[in-house]
Amino acid sequence: DAGVIQSPRHEVTEMGQEVTLRCKPISGHNSLFWYRQTMMRGLELLIYFNNNVPIDDSGMPEDRFSAKMPNASFSTLKIQPSEPRDSAVYFCASSSGTRVDEQFFGPGTRLTVL
Amino acid sequence: KNQVEQSPQSLIILEGKNCTLQCNYTVSPFSNLRWYKQDTGRGPVSLTIMTFSENTKSNGRYTATLDADTKQSSLHITASQLSDSASYICVVTGGSYIPTFGRGTSLIVHP
Repeated sequence: DAGVIQSPRHEVTEMGQEVTLRCKPISGHNSLFWYRQTMMRGLELLIYFNNNVPIDDSGMPEDRFSAKMPNASFSTLKIQPSEPRDSAVYFCASSSGTRVDEQFFGPGTRLTVL
Repeated sequence: KNQVEQSPQSLIILEGKNCTLQCNYTVSPFSNLRWYKQDTGRGPVSLTIMTFSENTKSNGRYTATLDADTKQSSLHITASQLSDSASYICVVTGGSYIPTFGRGTSLIVHP
């Protein structure tokens, strides 16, 4: 198995632009998580999907952030419009239903908003 | 509010030496505690997982301990190697099955 796949690995954009991050979870996993990591705050859970349905989105910072999971093998995290304070590493993780808290992380997307 | 506090924030040791990282938590009810290792530029990778009834668990040169009464855990690294240089993150899961992350300890092993 290739593990959790994220794209792009690096993204540099200008303030105000739309940014879309993509994630392919491990095949067979039915839970998917989006995290943001910064030096100041560490890892923060943004949103959690179970069987493609958003279960907990209390960590989504504001309306500029949205996430979708149209099917079991794909999810997106969109920021529109982006701001410099959104600069961070965004991780996607997935887990199986039997051990929902045993998460496998992707390599992350490093986002820089100028 | 569920919280996980780790100490020290950063640590520098010489290759071959031992070190111990600390984790205190207030997550309740408690389900399990996991230590992750995060290499620079990569996602976290699980090292050990401990449930309420487990006091000690080893994974090679890594040994984790758990005191559920005092809500403390430690990660002991024996005979450190250069490849141990990474961030070590303590993660505690409670009844909601949503994990609470510590901010990590940054370990640097010098030759």
